[in-house]
Amino acid sequence: EAGVAQSPRYKIIEKRQSVAFWCNPISGHATLYWYQQILGQGPKLLIQFQNNGVVDDSQLPKDRFSAERLKGVDSTLKIQPAKLEDSAVYLCASSQWTEWEQYFGPGTRLTVT
Amino acid sequence: AQTVTQSQPEMSVQEAETVTLSCTYDTSESDYYLFWYKQPPSRQMILVIRQEAYKQQNATENRFSVNFQKAAKSFSLKISDSQLGDAAMYFCAYRSPNSGYALNFGKGTSLLVTP
Repeated sequence: EAGVAQSPRYKIIEKRQSVAFWCNPISGHATLYWYQQILGQGPKLLIQFQNNGVVDDSQLPKDRFSAERLKGVDSTLKIQPAKLEDSAVYLCASSQWTEWEQYFGPGTRLTVT
Repeated sequence: AQTVTQSQPEMSVQEAETVTLSCTYDTSESDYYLFWYKQPPSRQMILVIRQEAYKQQNATENRFSVNFQKAAKSFSLKISDSQLGDAAMYFCAYRSPNSGYALNFGKGTSLLVTP
């Protein structure tokens, strides 16, 4: 069974630029999560999807971050414009149902200069 | 909001020895789950062990076991017969139906395993 795929693995941008991350969950998984992991901290939930609907985006900085999950499969997370404090690892996870185990992708390391 | 606290930023253990990582949490909920995740330098989060709050018996997975003290809101991880491959960041995490089952992580403990 293929795992959660994420791309790119690394991205370096200048502040005020835009960036997008892509996540392909495990086939058949209805629930998808995006987490932000700042260096030295544990991951923090940004947004949770159930199929293509948003369950929780209370911690998503909506003035600059957006996310979508078209057709309830792949998801993209966008930052526009990026700030220095957005430097972090962005982790995508999926689970078959909300109450089941989450499987994580390898993450995307973003550096904003 | 639930908080998860890991008070040990770093721990060190010799190969083949036993080490215990600490975790405490704060919640008023009765239905929840606790997890330990391992994150090696590759950044891939790997589930080590899970514990359902309604279960009194402590979970065990091979060399990994937990000491779940519900009243004290404590959830420690014991690694027996430590191996070099155990070196990683370890995160304690909490999830519940009320939070949509999203994981709430502690800050992590960096485990160093010395030969």
